[in-house]
Amino acid sequence: GQQVMQIPQYQHVQEGEDFTTYCNSSTTLSNIQWYKQRPGGHPVFLIQLVKSGEVKKQKRLTFQFGEAKKNSSLHITATQTTDVGTYFCAGRDTSGTYKYIFGTGTRLKVLA
Amino acid sequence: EPEVTQTPSHQVTQMGQEVILRCVPISNHLYFYWYRQILGQKVEFLVSFYNNEISEKSEIFDDQFSVERPDGSNFTLKIRSTKLEDSAMYFCASHYGGALGGELFFGEGSRLTVL
Repeated sequence: GQQVMQIPQYQHVQEGEDFTTYCNSSTTLSNIQWYKQRPGGHPVFLIQLVKSGEVKKQKRLTFQFGEAKKNSSLHITATQTTDVGTYFCAGRDTSGTYKYIFGTGTRLKVLA
Repeated sequence: EPEVTQTPSHQVTQMGQEVILRCVPISNHLYFYWYRQILGQKVEFLVSFYNNEISEKSEIFDDQFSVERPDGSNFTLKIRSTKLEDSAMYFCASHYGGALGGELFFGEGSRLTVL
């Protein structure tokens, strides 16, 4: 079945440093979403990417969808302590399903 | 802002007991989901539900699991005979649907502890 992997599994950064998490799917995706889960919280939607090669920005966050629509990345510029949490990508394959398979997640810690 | 609500927030049960977790999705949403998350691990898909029937289910969603939308507002997950490995956080989610999918709105979760 469809598998979605993320690297790295953990990342510790100093406040102000940049951070990137990478997401790779075993199957071609129709779209991909990104979620943030704070410690003890539930996943909260950040963004959805649909088009091949699409790049979207939200303030310090930049999201990219690969040309082949099998990978994606999230880059945070100048991390802040409020960025702490686990970032998950979630992909929907091209079969027409409405099932989103979540990636393995990247847990970000920001040291002040 | 509309939200997905889940009850109970925490349930402790003995192995072999039945458990029902309840969710009220956002009222105009059409697709409903249950996901689970074992502590510190990824969010795993269990089942999706649309038009009053299961759309898809994962390998985890075996005969011990069932879902129901009994009254047009509640969406329940039942585990008939709980096992120790069922201990996890269970998240309900919903979205409106449409060709591009759309944002999944998650509830705050129900933590299930099986002793």
